[in-house]
Amino acid sequence: GAVVSQHPSWVICKSGTSVKIECRSLDFQATTMFWYRQFPKQSLMLMATSNEGSKATYEQGVEKDKFLINHASLTLSTLTVTSAHPEDSSFYICSALQREGSSYNEQFFGPGTRLTVL
Amino acid sequence: AQRVTQPEKLLSVFKGAPVELKCNYSYSGSPELFWYVQYSRQRLQLLLRHISRESIKGFTADLNKGETSFHLKKPFAQEEDSAMYYCALDTGTASKLTFGTGTRLQVTL
Repeated sequence: GAVVSQHPSWVICKSGTSVKIECRSLDFQATTMFWYRQFPKQSLMLMATSNEGSKATYEQGVEKDKFLINHASLTLSTLTVTSAHPEDSSFYICSALQREGSSYNEQFFGPGTRLTVL
Repeated sequence: AQRVTQPEKLLSVFKGAPVELKCNYSYSGSPELFWYVQYSRQRLQLLLRHISRESIKGFTADLNKGETSFHLKKPFAQEEDSAMYYCALDTGTASKLTFGTGTRLQVTL
């Protein structure tokens, strides 16, 4: 199957700083990528849909100025957590959508990035 | 709004016993349902989807629109089936997925 990578796999930062997380589709082009957030022992919650060459679409309750998404190429989307605070500490997971013509489009998931804000 | 419910947080079964992981959904349209699996220290991966009517690793799931359910079943559990299982719903809007809270399957000897 297709491979999606995330970098970094974990990051610790001080409160007030910004952190950038990269999501790459390694062997396919993805016009659409998704960013999820997962709290401990909870499900994945979709934060936003990242579209190549256009603005991201954010889910209700997700602050777009807080979580900046850039999808500058067909293989890379970035999520920047701006002015991070301890409550932003979480596991962030991205997925890339591989379109298979007329059949269903499948999402391939990255391994996740654990963010800890001190 | 759409919703996916997985009532069991943990399901513990003996090796060789049948497994049924429950999933119910609420959505007024025609949904596409999926099961994703996450093995220990691995990323989330697609297990199966209802439109393909396939059996993967011995697992099957049938979409029951009357009961709005998509339960995952396997006749004989194996140790390697131990993992976290998520049911997910795609309403067809830009391929966005709504996930259930997940069920941890623990297969013991």
